[in-house]
Amino acid sequence: QQQVKQSPQSLIVQKGGISIINCAYENTAFDYFPWYQQFPGKGPALLIAIRPDVSEKKEGRFTISFNKSAKQFSLHIMDSQPGDSATYFCAASITGGYQKVTFGIGTKLQVIP
Amino acid sequence: DTGVSQDPRHKITKRGQNVTFRCDPISEHNRLYWYRQTLGQGPEFLTYFQNEAQLEKSRLLSDRFSAERPKGSFSTLEIQRTEQGDSAMYLCASSLVVGQADGISNQPQHFGDGTRLSIL
Repeated sequence: QQQVKQSPQSLIVQKGGISIINCAYENTAFDYFPWYQQFPGKGPALLIAIRPDVSEKKEGRFTISFNKSAKQFSLHIMDSQPGDSATYFCAASITGGYQKVTFGIGTKLQVIP
Repeated sequence: DTGVSQDPRHKITKRGQNVTFRCDPISEHNRLYWYRQTLGQGPEFLTYFQNEAQLEKSRLLSDRFSAERPKGSFSTLEIQRTEQGDSAMYLCASSLVVGQADGISNQPQHFGDGTRLSIL
């Protein structure tokens, strides 16, 4: 059972465009939603995270939008750059527990010049 | 470099052999996690330690897998009698959990760059 569903699995965006990745979760006990960025041959690196008590969080060109009632959240990358080309994972965890992170399947983003 | 360190970065072995991976977490982190990532998938949780105690194991962790964190610092993950299906990236992560008046505070997990295992 996939607890965190992510789409699309691949995305091609032109430089300067907006990249949008969507995720949905099923377990209402999740209360921490991080996004990870992974380059080939590297481990996932925390990019930005949100808790369900806010509907949006922005850090630089990266914004998370969160809809608690719909159990959906998304990552927007504004002014996408070729250096943003990587695989992005949405994830979810329960902070009161042992914080096992449940990952989505990943989105391979390619930003073309 | 004060991040999570994993060794070796790559391991190629024949089916049936035993392999052992090492993870050195960020020094002040008291929680350590192991994940497995197969091609085209997100990482999947395997097990975690709070200091030296192994507190949770996924059903993905068959009897052929064993993990230790003997002194609450580095950890090892051993796979016995490797099978083709064990080919994957094995990721280690660490985090700091601190007690607060209203409960505990889990800090974000920091991942190493993984050990890529290939079974011939």
